[in-house]
Amino acid sequence: EDQVTQSPEALRLQEGESSSLNCSYTVSGLRGLFWYRQDPGKGPEFLFTLYSAGEEKEKERLKATLTKKESFLHITAPKPEDSATYLCAVQKYNNNDMRFGAGTRLTVKP
Amino acid sequence: GAGVSQSPSNKVTEKGKDVELRCDPISGHTALYWYRQSLGQGLEFLIYFQGNSAPDKSGLPSDRFSAERTGGSVSTLTIQRTQQEDSAVYLCASSFQSGGATDTQYFGPGTRLTVL
Repeated sequence: EDQVTQSPEALRLQEGESSSLNCSYTVSGLRGLFWYRQDPGKGPEFLFTLYSAGEEKEKERLKATLTKKESFLHITAPKPEDSATYLCAVQKYNNNDMRFGAGTRLTVKP
Repeated sequence: GAGVSQSPSNKVTEKGKDVELRCDPISGHTALYWYRQSLGQGLEFLIYFQGNSAPDKSGLPSDRFSAERTGGSVSTLTIQRTQQEDSAVYLCASSFQSGGATDTQYFGPGTRLTVL
């Protein structure tokens, strides 16, 4: 059965303390892996799409990487405004929907 | 340009009543999705529309849930005889399906439904 598991469930960091969020997946026929950011009371905001193992993408303090079994979202020198829930999702070939993980709730303290 | 919009932003209803949730996708996006997000859980796919094709209803949890999309644009999700377990945030997303490529889904702000 297809599964997407994110860890940790919650992460508290001090401002400037770099860390990584994990998204493990078991999906046959991966079409793409997506990272979204969700702030309280808002819809998910698109961050990255990764298509194949070895691919990396960066945006400001965030870098996403992909292997055949997992993806990491690396946060370098985070700031309080990076506090949010980060969602990982996978899309399969011949499938119309995305399967989401439960998310990692990140809190960055000043 | 304008993003995906949803209305109402909040809806409180009594158990047994019907509710309608509206989604207005990004202009030019041919694909539209509905998801449900329950407290502490990931997003759950409900239904997918693409152009004039028959919708993919595989995620609808029961026959109390239905959705339509008129004129290939605005969509309405209807929940009949609401139950307390229907309480959740209902999210709509749209994408520009280019056929073959992975299409990024852009989400609206959601409708928070509370069933008393």
